[in-house]
Parts: sequence; C-alpha cells; structure tokens
Amino acid sequence: DAGVIQSPRHEVTEMGQEVTLRCKPISGHDYLFWYRQTMMRGLELLIYFNNNVPIDDSGMPEDRFSAKMPNASFSTLKIQPSEPRDSAVYFCASSLGLVGEQFFGPGTRLTVL
Amino acid sequence: TQLLEQSPQFLSIQEGENLTVYCNSSSVFSSLQWYRQEPGEGPVLLVTVVTGGEVKKLKRLTFQFGDARKDSSLHITAAQPGDTGLYLCAGRALYNFNKFYFGSGTKLNVKP
Repeated sequence: DAGVIQSPRHEVTEMGQEVTLRCKPISGHDYLFWYRQTMMRGLELLIYFNNNVPIDDSGMPEDRFSAKMPNASFSTLKIQPSEPRDSAVYFCASSLGLVGEQFFGPGTRLTVL
Repeated sequence: TQLLEQSPQFLSIQEGENLTVYCNSSSVFSSLQWYRQEPGEGPVLLVTVVTGGEVKKLKRLTFQFGDARKDSSLHITAAQPGDTGLYLCAGRALYNFNKFYFGSGTKLNVKP
C-alpha cells in the first residue's frame, strides 16, 4: 500500500509568491492533518480535517495560510503571499479515526527567499 | 513554551550505552505517543501509552507513562547506530482532546 504522498518534496520560492503544497492521504483514512516543523518551534499542528471537513484550524498562523480538502484523496495547503519566516518542512499525515495512528508523509521542504 | 518539554535536547553516546529520554508536562494527557523521525522523513509511531503507570517494551526500548499521566520516559538499552534519530513525544491533553501536541524533541546520535 502506498503511504501518504506529498508534493513537491522541495520548493524554493521568492517572498510574495503563492505556494501550494499537496497531499494524498492513505486510502480509507478519514482524518487528515497538516503540520509544520521548524528548529525553533518543533512540530506544530496547523489544521485537520475529518471526512474532508475542516475541524480545527486554530494552528494556522495567519490569514495568508489556507487549506482545502475537495475530496477524500486530496488536500492542499496554500500560502499567499509567502514570507521568509514561512520556511519550514510541512508534513501531511492521515489516520483512521481521531486517535488512530497517524501516518506521516515525507514532507515538503519550503524555502522562501 | 511548549506543552510537552523533552530532555535532553541533544544526546551523543557510544554504541552499547544505555540512555533515557524524558517527556514532561504540567497538564494531564489522555495518552502519550513516542515517535522516531529520521532525516528527510516524517515521524513514525513507536508506541502509545494510555494508562497511568503503564510500561511497554519494544525490543531494547522501554516506555513508561507516569502515574499522574503528565510525563513519560523512553529508555534504550545497548543503543545501536540504527537508533540514531529525532525522538518525539506527543499526545492529547485531557482538557482539550481535539488538540494533538508534539514535544520539543530529543536528537540522539549513537556513534559506532
């Protein structure tokens, strides 16, 4: 079985540009989570979905960040406009049930110049 | 300030040594999990502890959940270079079950 798939693996962009990160969860999982990992703040939960519906977005840092899940097999995290402080590794994870084991994707390393 | 504080932050030891990593909080958790993350990859779940005082063993790894469910420890016996990685504790606080928090992490390097 394929695990969680994220694309791109690396993204380098300039400040002010729009960035879109993509995630394909494990088939059959009903929860999808977006995390951000930095040296300073560690791994932080940004938002999570249940059956494609956003449940808790209190971790989204600013209005520049938005996430969507148009169907059970696809989610996006968009940053517009991007800023250098958004540079981090962004992970997507999925699980079966809220307390089920979370399976993480390989992450997208974002660098904003 | 993180809800889950891990110590030590960094640990560099020789192959064969024993070590313990701690995860502490002032909040009560319904459960705690331990993950290992290798460079360029996402965290991978090692274990979940649910009951206060619970001890779980996974080969050379021993996990313990504190009696008050506010802390946990991970003990590795006879560490091997393959144990190298970032160890993260994580859990759901009892007062806010919807939130999933990760600890600050312990970076372990086991030298051959």
